Amino acid sequence: DTGVSQDPRHKITKRGQNVTFRCDPISEHNRLYWYRQTLGQGPEFLTYFQNEAQLEKSRLLSDRFSAERPKGSFSTLEIQRTEQGDSAMYLCASSSNRGPSTDTQYFGPGTRLTVL
Amino acid sequence: QKEVEQDPGPLSVPEGAIVSLNCTYSNSAFQYFMWYRQYSRKGPELLMYTYSSGNKEDGRFTAQVDKSSKYISLFIRDSQPSDSATYLCAHRKDGGFKTIFGAGTRLFVKA
Repeated sequence: DTGVSQDPRHKITKRGQNVTFRCDPISEHNRLYWYRQTLGQGPEFLTYFQNEAQLEKSRLLSDRFSAERPKGSFSTLEIQRTEQGDSAMYLCASSSNRGPSTDTQYFGPGTRLTVL
Repeated sequence: QKEVEQDPGPLSVPEGAIVSLNCTYSNSAFQYFMWYRQYSRKGPELLMYTYSSGNKEDGRFTAQVDKSSKYISLFIRDSQPSDSATYLCAHRKDGGFKTIFGAGTRLFVKA
């Protein structure tokens, strides 16, 4: 069990640029989640995949945000035309609906985005 | 009103103290309750989870859920400087996938 990994760990970009983040979940986990966390707040849910299907999107996820999980393994989160308000930590989590873990979500280290 | 309310702290205690961290929540439909620990600039790390009401103990940590009062607690015994972190309480519906987090309580344990 190597844990959830995210890449890059840090991203600095200029306003208006597009950015893409990658998440590799724990290998046997079929569920994957994206959250956003701003300073002094807890993580806020963005979206959820079961295998390759995106089953839920938060209203926080504007049209500039898109997430994919094409083969039911890794996932990408893209932000187009970044704005300064997008600056946050983007967290990925994974879980399994099988076994004794009761669908507990395990988080990666996050990608910290700074939009200048 | 936020779904999960948590005192942001900071809470500062001496090494060896018993720490009590608390949350309240508003929606009685939630069944799973979790505590995560988050070190600065790191992702949250699951500490404990409980299902419905009751207590659960793991080493120096004890989690309590009182569904009648919608109150969640985490107790840390013999606190250590390495326990200094932000503690996030969270809940989720049975069969649900979206975890709702509190804002976190910052804890400092002084050596």
